[in-house]
Amino acid sequence: NAGVTQTPKFRVLKTGQSMTLLCAQDMNHEYMYWYRQDPGMGLRLIHYSVGEGTTAKGEVPDGYNVSRLKKQNFLLGLESAAPSQTSVYFCASSYSTGQGSNQPQHFGDGTRLSIL
Amino acid sequence: DAKTTQPPSMDCAEGRAANLPCNHSTISGNEYVYWYRQIHSQGPQYIIHGLKNNETNEMASLIITEDRKSSTLILPHATLRDTAVYYCIVSPFIFGNEKLTFGTGTRLTIIP
Repeated sequence: NAGVTQTPKFRVLKTGQSMTLLCAQDMNHEYMYWYRQDPGMGLRLIHYSVGEGTTAKGEVPDGYNVSRLKKQNFLLGLESAAPSQTSVYFCASSYSTGQGSNQPQHFGDGTRLSIL
Repeated sequence: DAKTTQPPSMDCAEGRAANLPCNHSTISGNEYVYWYRQIHSQGPQYIIHGLKNNETNEMASLIITEDRKSSTLILPHATLRDTAVYYCIVSPFIFGNEKLTFGTGTRLTIIP
């Protein structure tokens, strides 16, 4: 059981380049999330999804887009990378009871992204 | 707006109980208290959560005060592998709003 898998684990980009981070979960979870973590700080929510085909903005959504075309995958896109987006990106997923959820989130091991 | 307050760092001797405090004086009636930890830049790991009753699982115990304004995470027999940053988070039980807001947490160091 792989849990939450993030691809790639490391990436270096030049300013202005685009890329997509992939998150895949095999736990049949309804909810998925993208966070970023900067040095010495806690995680900040970028975007999240409560189901296939639906997405919503989190705390720091600017400069990012997301898509949830399949229940098991949640993609995070950077259209034009900027040095301020240098960070570690974490994906998470959680189960929903369907009436609001207090279920814990399961995290991947992160993608370390550097923008030069 | 910080919902929780935690000490920035703590030490604990190996084999002893580690007690990590958290203040959440503005907690609402529908908000749960969650604890996660992050070991050496890995993804955060869920530990335990509760609403108002004390909770225990195989990893830890969670003690919530009667007024719910503070809580304590207890690791009963700390090992070196428990060295990590521990996050205390309050989050509402509202459909479609299950978002976690991470602060800077408590850096717990287990001393051999």
